[in-house]
Amino acid sequence: EAGVAQSPRYKIIEKRQSVAFWCNPISGHATLYWYQQILGQGPKLLIQFQNNGVVDDSQLPKDRFSAERLKGVDSTLKIQPAKLEDSAVYLCASSPGTSGRRYYNEQFFGPGTRLTVL
Amino acid sequence: GESVGLHLPTLSVQEGDNSIINCAYSNSASDYFIWYKQESGKGPQFIIDIRSNMDKRQGQRVTVLLNKTVKHLSLQIAATQPGDSAVYFCAENTHAGGTSYGKLTFGQGTILTVHP
Repeated sequence: EAGVAQSPRYKIIEKRQSVAFWCNPISGHATLYWYQQILGQGPKLLIQFQNNGVVDDSQLPKDRFSAERLKGVDSTLKIQPAKLEDSAVYLCASSPGTSGRRYYNEQFFGPGTRLTVL
Repeated sequence: GESVGLHLPTLSVQEGDNSIINCAYSNSASDYFIWYKQESGKGPQFIIDIRSNMDKRQGQRVTVLLNKTVKHLSLQIAATQPGDSAVYFCAENTHAGGTSYGKLTFGQGTILTVHP
């Protein structure tokens, strides 16, 4: 079974530039997550999709970050404009996830995109 | 806000020893706990999980213990191998607003180094 794919793996940009990350989840997984992982810290959830709808985006800095999951499969995360503090690894994860189950579904993580903002 | 934390940021052990990684959590509403292993340049990899109605769960060479009284979680790795060297994260799952969608909150992580 293919895992979660992410691209690019690395990105270096100047502050105030824009950047976009792409994620292809495991086939058939309904739930998709974007996390931000700053060096030395655990991943922090930015946004969670169930199919193509947003379940939780409470920690997404909406003035500069946006994400979409058209057709409920692939997803893109965009930062515009980038700030120095956005330097981090951006992880995408997916899980089978169904709304009728009141327990956690195992999340499978991609390799991440390492963003450096200069 | 409520968060998950780790007591020790680094742990060094000799190959063959047993390792214990600890984690404290503060959200009493968390119903599920997961340990992840993250190797350099990779995403977190699921190791083992435990529901809040359990106090112990065993896997292959790993055991997770949950003490809800003191809100403490630990991961025990038996016969630690060099391939176990990585950063280990505990994460807690909560269901905000009574929804069925779980949300994971990760701790800071412990760096485990296994010396041959």
